[in-house]
This record gives sequence, C-alpha cells and structure tokens, in this order.
Amino acid sequence: QKEVEQNSGPLSVPEGAIASLNCTYSDRGSQSFFWYRQYSGKSPELIMSIYSNGDKEDGRFTAQLNKASQYVSLLIRDSQPSDSATYLCAVNARFGNEKLTFGTGTRLTIIP
Amino acid sequence: DTEVTQTPKHLVMGMTNKKSLKCEQHMGHRAMYWYKQKAKKPPELMFVYSYEKLSINESVPSRFSPECPNSSLLNLHLHALQPEDSALYLCASSEGTSYGYTFGSGTRLTVV
Repeated sequence: QKEVEQNSGPLSVPEGAIASLNCTYSDRGSQSFFWYRQYSGKSPELIMSIYSNGDKEDGRFTAQLNKASQYVSLLIRDSQPSDSATYLCAVNARFGNEKLTFGTGTRLTIIP
Repeated sequence: DTEVTQTPKHLVMGMTNKKSLKCEQHMGHRAMYWYKQKAKKPPELMFVYSYEKLSINESVPSRFSPECPNSSLLNLHLHALQPEDSALYLCASSEGTSYGYTFGSGTRLTVV
C-alpha cells in the first residue's frame, strides 16, 4: 500500500461546478496535511493546510480531514479554467519528522 | 520576502561536466530541502538540511553532493550525471514540516 494515494485522473469538471479531489494515507499517526497546486512546468504551490478533523475554508477552497478514515479531500467551488492544474496531496507522517510524503497527484481540467 | 530563489532556471550539461544548483531563502526557515521531479511524477525527496546540518539523505547517488554554507543558502553539486538524471530539481524551505514547504521555481536540468 502506498503511503499517500490519490486518483491520478484526469478529472474534468465544467466551469462553475465543484471539483472534488481525494487523498488517502496509510500512517494513522500522521499529523499535518497539505494540498499543493502545480501548473505544468512550474513548481508546487501550497494552497491549503489542515491539521484537525473537520473542514477548513479559504476562499473557494475547502479542505476536509477525517483521521478515523485516513482521508483528506479538497473541494474547489465555482471552478475556473485557471484551476486547471495537478493537485498534490502531502502528508507529514509524524511530529518532528522532517519529511513530507507526496501523493502522485490528480490532474484537474476545468472545461469552459 | 517570502520567496525561495533558485538558479539557474535551466541547465544543460554533459555527462563529464561539474555544475552546481543554488538555492536561497530569506524567510528565516530552519530547514531546506532538495527534491527531484520527473515528468508526471510527484516530487521525490533527495536531501534535508535542518539547522544547516544534513538530517536526511534518501540514498541519493554520490554524483549528487549537497552543501549548506549557511542558514539561507543550499547548493547541489552535480558531477558525472547520467541522462536519466534529467529532471526538474526543486529546492524548498520550511520552519518545520508541520507548516508545509515553500518551493522555489526549480531548475530544469538536462543531461546530454
């Protein structure tokens, strides 16, 4: 089992709709969870972080964490063509561990 | 200043060359990282420096040699690389993995 798993997609969503991206992780002791956006040929950009169960909202983005199910998701409301990118889920397995483990990424395409 | 600056942005080198990648951050972050990313793959951790000391080496071949001259600078010295080492090399910094990483824009390396 991979440490961090994502559906590789591609995921196609109509403009204005909600895009839902999912991520599961294997280490039950994981503490910190992140979503990065990466445009083609560019470096990853941190867009959301979440540490406790529940929802965290920032503008059109909502991160959801369920530690019991070892599941983290990212919702993008009112999707725009500029949201078309690869979204990487990253997990910090243990407090004090210097390493983030990345999922393989989900490629999202917003269709105008 | 919330940037991580990497130079050069592009590098083409022969298999017998020696070159260096440079990374600089002025956010006062205590940890700096080198990642390697191949096309359509997630970033792959190479090295972690914490408080200017090497804390993680992910079994990287010795043809890659990291150096941390001070808390703001990170270098990656390259020697006798192979064509399969061609990739996007990403530098990142953080105050700790609980806070996520800030990535630089990367160096696109081509080995010929």
